[in-house]
Amino acid sequence: DAGITQSPRHKVTETGTPVTLRCHQTENHRYMYWYRQDPGHGLRLIHYSYGVKDTDKGEVSDGYSVSRSKTEDFLLTLESATSSQTSVYFCAISESWEASEQYFGPGTRLTVT
Amino acid sequence: KQEVTQIPAALSVPEGENLVLNCSFTDSAIYNLQWFRQDPGKGLTSLLLIQSSQREQTSGRLNASLDKSSGRSTLYIAASQPGDSATYLCAVRRWGTSYGKLTFGQGTILTVHP
Repeated sequence: DAGITQSPRHKVTETGTPVTLRCHQTENHRYMYWYRQDPGHGLRLIHYSYGVKDTDKGEVSDGYSVSRSKTEDFLLTLESATSSQTSVYFCAISESWEASEQYFGPGTRLTVT
Repeated sequence: KQEVTQIPAALSVPEGENLVLNCSFTDSAIYNLQWFRQDPGKGLTSLLLIQSSQREQTSGRLNASLDKSSGRSTLYIAASQPGDSATYLCAVRRWGTSYGKLTFGQGTILTVHP
């Protein structure tokens, strides 16, 4: 299995509070991604990174921000959590866009009450 | 906009049966297609990656085919086992997406009963 960990694995938070999810990889892969998975919507890309300090938006980026200060860490922040952000969040990595096989982390289940 | 559809949504088969899962996509300008497996409450495990220039890939009892012109891929599972029970997802990557964005199907829930 690719060396990807996510923390926390489960979190319950209240509406309006900030939340940060962490993705850590030991593969030294350049590309990192944050997805959310919801019933009826499947997996959707939130943000991605193509290098240290290089990030961009995906298809459902509103209400989320990201940061990548080191190759191995990619942080996803919900500045002010809403109930619509209750979801399972997955981090993924890929070595290059040419190779482009993506490997996924175990996920974080976030509940916003 | 690329759309990916998986049929059937759910499938229940007896152990030992050979089965086919289907994935169709609307835009044939794809770079590659990836099949994943997801167990309940778990992350996605990559099964097979087919590049646009390839027609099929094999791994053990799994065989995935790709027909770009018709916008279809199939995942063939031979001699199914109860341990194959999981949700199977396909995902495609379009040409021109330098960051490797994948568009996922909704998945097929497979149950293999003893």
